[in-house]
Amino acid sequence: DVKVTQSSRYLVKRTGEKVFLECVQDMDHENMFWYRQDPGLGLRLIYFSYDVKMKEKGDIPEGYSVSREKKERFSLILESASTNQTSMYLCASQAPNQPQHFGDGTRLSIL
Amino acid sequence: DQQVKQNSPSLSVQEGRISILNCDYTNSMFDYFLWYKKYPAEGPTFLISISSIKDKNEDGRFTVFLNKSAKHLSLHIVPSQPGDSAVYFCAASDQGNDMRFGAGTRLTVKP
Repeated sequence: DVKVTQSSRYLVKRTGEKVFLECVQDMDHENMFWYRQDPGLGLRLIYFSYDVKMKEKGDIPEGYSVSREKKERFSLILESASTNQTSMYLCASQAPNQPQHFGDGTRLSIL
Repeated sequence: DQQVKQNSPSLSVQEGRISILNCDYTNSMFDYFLWYKKYPAEGPTFLISISSIKDKNEDGRFTVFLNKSAKHLSLHIVPSQPGDSAVYFCAASDQGNDMRFGAGTRLTVKP
């Protein structure tokens, strides 16, 4: 069974801090994704990666960056956290042309 | 610009009756459609999918219908059970890779 693990379930940070959200998958999937989920907006794609050291912008990349140094790990970075980045963050991995598998999410609060 | 829309934020049905969740999309390049189910404090889990070469796919109590000309899909759950109470997300992709999600519909099945 595919397991996608997000390092924190809940995180509280302050405005201006640099924030790292980590995601690890154990199925050797090429594709990995970061979404944020907000009420009434569903899941919006921030960044995705189809291979190590490869990254592509999603629909809302502003204020975020990502890192994929190893196939199993995909990190989301908030360079300077702002209150409008308070959200639920979801990581997913995927074998090509298969459904995505999601982690349990990180609820991030920026104060 | 939401390419996938779920216009009903919530739906309430009686146990044993049919639940019908609807989804519309705008991108005619989408050829792979999925439904995900999400419980509170968990990540979305894959429920059922359909490719654009089909108009119906069934898996137990769950059936997805696709109307390509109307750019519309629906999920039927019959009979509905209290354990089906969750948020349901519709998703669509072009060639099975990065996906676009709807805003979700919260289904409540009353005993």
